[in-house]
Amino acid sequence: SAVISQKPSRDICQRGTSLTIQCQVDSQVTMMFWYRQQPGQSLTLIATANQGSEATYESGFVIDKFPISRPNLTFSTLTVSNMSPEDSSIYLCSVARSGVGYEQYFGPGTRLTVT
Amino acid sequence: QQQVKQSPQSLIVQKGGIPIINCAYENTAFDYFPWYQQFPGKGPALLIAIRPDVSEKKEGRFTISFNKSAKQFSLHIMDSQPGDSATYFCAAKQTGANNLFFGTGTRLTVIP
Repeated sequence: SAVISQKPSRDICQRGTSLTIQCQVDSQVTMMFWYRQQPGQSLTLIATANQGSEATYESGFVIDKFPISRPNLTFSTLTVSNMSPEDSSIYLCSVARSGVGYEQYFGPGTRLTVT
Repeated sequence: QQQVKQSPQSLIVQKGGIPIINCAYENTAFDYFPWYQQFPGKGPALLIAIRPDVSEKKEGRFTISFNKSAKQFSLHIMDSQPGDSATYFCAAKQTGANNLFFGTGTRLTVIP
């Protein structure tokens, strides 16, 4: 498995500001992802964080709104820019290992409330 | 369009009962089917997973049944306990791809 930590665990932010969420993994992983989960809802993939290159965004998500960095194989950040109340959600970092089999693990999440 | 359809949305069982959660898919390129358990305020935790070359996989009290021809798979929880009360998500991954498609989740409540 993989141990994933996220900072902050929760935050309350004002409309128009930005928040950067950090994700740290206890070992090197090739694949890192960022998901969004509305309370009581399923998980929606925002983007795949690629080490050394630009992130790959899913339909409906753009780099200007959700810039992502991945400076190495154990760390990534997601910034939620120019926030509005609609951005209130849980943001989850996830990593995957492939090889003999595929396994994907999730961090504890960052609960964001935008007022 | 929901790639993986999950039912029921919620489920209440008595302690010791066997809740069953079902998922269905259409994409025959899916080759990996995990289940996740999520407690309130926590991230989803990988519970058990199966590949389409087997029809059943058991880990402890959790069993996945897989029906390739029907494109359906289900999670069974034997001897359910109040501590199993959580939201369960099924998911699927396509061959060659690196991301999961999630079901909509099932909120399970096990009554003591």
